[in-house]
Amino acid sequence: KAGVTQTPRYLIKTRGQQVTLSCSPISGHRSVSWYQQTPGQGLQFLFEYFSETQRNKGNFPGRFSGRQFSNSRSEMNVSTLELGDSALYLCASSPVRGLAGSSSYNEQFFGPGTRLTVL
Amino acid sequence: SQQGEEDPQALSIQEGENATMNCSYKTSINNLQWYRQNSGRGLVHLILIRSNEREKHSGRLRVTLDTSKKSSSLLITASRAADTASYFCATDARRETSGSRLTFGEGTQLTVNP
Repeated sequence: KAGVTQTPRYLIKTRGQQVTLSCSPISGHRSVSWYQQTPGQGLQFLFEYFSETQRNKGNFPGRFSGRQFSNSRSEMNVSTLELGDSALYLCASSPVRGLAGSSSYNEQFFGPGTRLTVL
Repeated sequence: SQQGEEDPQALSIQEGENATMNCSYKTSINNLQWYRQNSGRGLVHLILIRSNEREKHSGRLRVTLDTSKKSSSLLITASRAADTASYFCATDARRETSGSRLTFGEGTQLTVNP
């Protein structure tokens, strides 16, 4: 199976702009999560989508949003970019086993990430 | 904020030696996972251990979990230069809502010298 793909791989934006990142999960995976990685804060959870619904959300401002499409592909959007948004944004998909869509016992498979630089 | 702490922050060993990394966390968990990351690239899933498991093996990897101490360890045996990477533990906390939400530790930078 092909792995998780993320586009674009690199992106340079200026403060105040907005950006949209895309993630295609592994075929058959219905859960998609997003993480931000920075040298100062490490890896932090942004949100998780399952069946086009946001199921979990991290502690990020409302400028960070996302969505999931019926084919499980996901996008995240950051509006009004700030310098501190410069980071590696990682998407992960999970196969979701168990009852009622629970993914508590599933590993997550990460994509290569999108490196966002805000100038 | 990070839930877990990893110890040591950096580890340098010779090829063929074993490497042990430790992870501590704060809340009750459903599972704990270990990941490897090479030079700011994507994370590679290594192993998942459930809260009701105490030890798990995968090739040269051995993971232990002690839920009473809220700690886990990752042992890499017979290390190779290609094992040089950052290693992260991540916990999936037990909570009322379904779904996954991994909380990562700060990572251990492992350097294996040829």
